Amino acid sequence: GDSVTQMEGPVTLSEEAFLTINCTYTATGYPSLFWYVQYPGEGLQLLLKATKADDKGSNKGFEATYRKETTSFHLEKGSVQVSDSAVYFCALGSSNTGKLIFGQGTTLQVKP
Amino acid sequence: DGGITQSPKYLFRKEGQNVTLSCEQNLNHDAMYWYRQDPGQGLRLIYYSQIVNDFQKGDIAEGYSVSREKKESFPLTVTSAQKNPTAFYLCASSANRDRVYGYTFGSGTRLTVV
Repeated sequence: GDSVTQMEGPVTLSEEAFLTINCTYTATGYPSLFWYVQYPGEGLQLLLKATKADDKGSNKGFEATYRKETTSFHLEKGSVQVSDSAVYFCALGSSNTGKLIFGQGTTLQVKP
Repeated sequence: DGGITQSPKYLFRKEGQNVTLSCEQNLNHDAMYWYRQDPGQGLRLIYYSQIVNDFQKGDIAEGYSVSREKKESFPLTVTSAQKNPTAFYLCASSANRDRVYGYTFGSGTRLTVV
C-alpha cells in the first residue's frame, strides 16, 4: 500500500543553519505531496504542497520539490530560525484511498 | 473566516466515563476526520466521514464512536471501553475527493484521564 517515510528526529540545528528533512514515498498512481508543520500544543498547518512531478512547493522560506524519479519530497530551508522549532510531517494524497497518508513526523529544534 | 473549531481545548475525564469532543467546520467540506496523537508519535486515524450520515472506521476505532448528522459537525465520543484514552485529539476536514488541497486541521483537544 501507499506509505511515507521520514527521517527520524530530533534534528538539532543552530540558528541560520541549512535544513534538510528527508521524505520518501511509495505510491501507485500520481499522488499529491504535502508538508505540514505542528507547533507545540497546536494542530497541523499546511506548509507547502506539490501536485505533480517536478513541481516545487514553497512557503515562508521552506521549499520542497516533487521528485518522481527518486520518489522523494525533501523539505529544505536555507537559514532556520528559533521560531521554526516544531514537528514537521510529510504526507501524500493517496489515489487508492482518497485520504492523506502521514509520515511519523520529524522534530526540529533550533538553538540560538 | 472559514475554519475548523475543536472544543474544549483541555478535557479531563474520570475513569469509566464517556466524554464527547466537539468538531465544527464552516468550510463547506464534505469529508471529516479524527486522529489521535500520543507524545512524540505520529497521527493515527480513528474515524472518518466522507458524507453526511456515513462514516468509516480508521486504524484504531475500538473504544470510540462518532456521528455525522450535519455536514458541519463530526463529534467524537471516547467511551469507557477505550483503555488508554489520554492523548491529543485532532479533527480535520477536506473537500471530498479533492485531496490536492490537503486537510485543514483544528487546534486539537488534549484529553486527560484522572
